[in-house]
Amino acid sequence: QKEVEQNSGPLSVPEGAIASLNCTYSDRGSQSFFWYRQYSGKSPELIMFIYSNGDKEDGRFTAQLNKASQYVSLLIRDSQPSDSATYLCAVNLYRFTGGGNKLTFGTGTQLKVEL
Amino acid sequence: NAGVTQTPKFQVLKTGQSMTLQCAQDMNHNSMYWYRQDPGMGLRLIYYSASEGTTDKGEVPNGYNVSRLNKREFSLRLESAAPSQTSVYFCASNGDRANSPLHFGNGTRLTVT
Repeated sequence: QKEVEQNSGPLSVPEGAIASLNCTYSDRGSQSFFWYRQYSGKSPELIMFIYSNGDKEDGRFTAQLNKASQYVSLLIRDSQPSDSATYLCAVNLYRFTGGGNKLTFGTGTQLKVEL
Repeated sequence: NAGVTQTPKFQVLKTGQSMTLQCAQDMNHNSMYWYRQDPGMGLRLIYYSASEGTTDKGEVPNGYNVSRLNKREFSLRLESAAPSQTSVYFCASNGDRANSPLHFGNGTRLTVT
């Protein structure tokens, strides 16, 4: 079982719809969770992070975390063509004893927002 | 604020050649990382450095070496390049808190023929 799993997609949604991206993780000790957006040929850029159960909203983006079920999701409201990108889920185990603050990434979900 | 700076942006090597990828950050981060990204494989950790003077292997370290020259700089060396090392390489850094996100450089696209 992979440490962080995402559906590779592509996930196609019409403009203005809600896009729902999901991620599951295997280690129950995981502490914090990140969503990155990556446009083709570019480096990943942080959208938001979450570390408490429940929802966290930032503009059109909402991250949802359920530690009991070991999944984290990202909702994008009012999807725009400019949201078309690959979305990477990353998990931090955070056993920081001088061993770095590493993130483990899923393989990403490709989102296509269609006109 | 430059963030994380990587050089070069593109490189083509012949099998057996060597090269060093350079990375520097100006955010005073303790931790620095080298990832490679291949289609369908996501970002995989090659090596990381939790602090100046320390380095550790990640998921895919074979064929690579690293040097944490000082707190700002973390280089990745390919001693004898192989076609399997054709990839996009990203340097990243972050702070010490659990919610500290990774900040990425712009990447190096390496092709080994």
